[in-house]
Amino acid sequence: GAGVSQTPSNKVTEKGKYVELRCDPISGHTALYWYRQSLGQGPEFLIYFQGTGAADDSGLPNDRFFAVRPEGSVSTLKIQRTERGDSAVYLCASSQGQGYGYTFGSGTRLTVV
Amino acid sequence: GESVGLHLPTLSVQEGDNSIINCAYSNSASDYFIWYKQESGKGPQFIIDIRSNMDKRQGQRVTVLLNKTVKHLSLQIAATQPGDSAVYFCAEKLTGGYQKVTFGTGTKLQVIP
Repeated sequence: GAGVSQTPSNKVTEKGKYVELRCDPISGHTALYWYRQSLGQGPEFLIYFQGTGAADDSGLPNDRFFAVRPEGSVSTLKIQRTERGDSAVYLCASSQGQGYGYTFGSGTRLTVV
Repeated sequence: GESVGLHLPTLSVQEGDNSIINCAYSNSASDYFIWYKQESGKGPQFIIDIRSNMDKRQGQRVTVLLNKTVKHLSLQIAATQPGDSAVYFCAEKLTGGYQKVTFGTGTKLQVIP
């Protein structure tokens, strides 16, 4: 596609529920990144995929968070047993690979009530 | 990075004036720096980048200055326009193989018409 697409744009869920956030990167971009942005702060790195594999998941805060990219294109970020502290905007970015700039999507605003 | 909670540093500038946004980066080993612009409800958008072997780089109406001695970056916007109103983030990265982009604290730019 023309840009990075993230769905849904907004998600409200109850504490303890499971959520999935989807990212459609730019066609042909091999690198995909997930970031999380809390209000008033810069994006914080969560995980990086090169192709289908998670090359760096050091930013995932705990084992409730998991992400997949089974065919090297679309990625899903999964959060189990959501907590109110998980409320944030989850941003996805893609790039042609190392040494290239990122293109970000508009994010999914997750609110845990 | 250091958290500023809900209260981003804010720079108010009269339309037509020049804006200077400053940033202190954290890792002395970083050798690639990027400025992003983030409008409300959108993901960060690439503005300009600079490598550590340069101290100045110019784009259209924007200039980035890098002072590695004091780990300081600045973004200069000439003839600021209302459309420049946004939050601006500096980001740093190491080149040479995979390294993630790390964002700094943002600055909110308000352009007064």
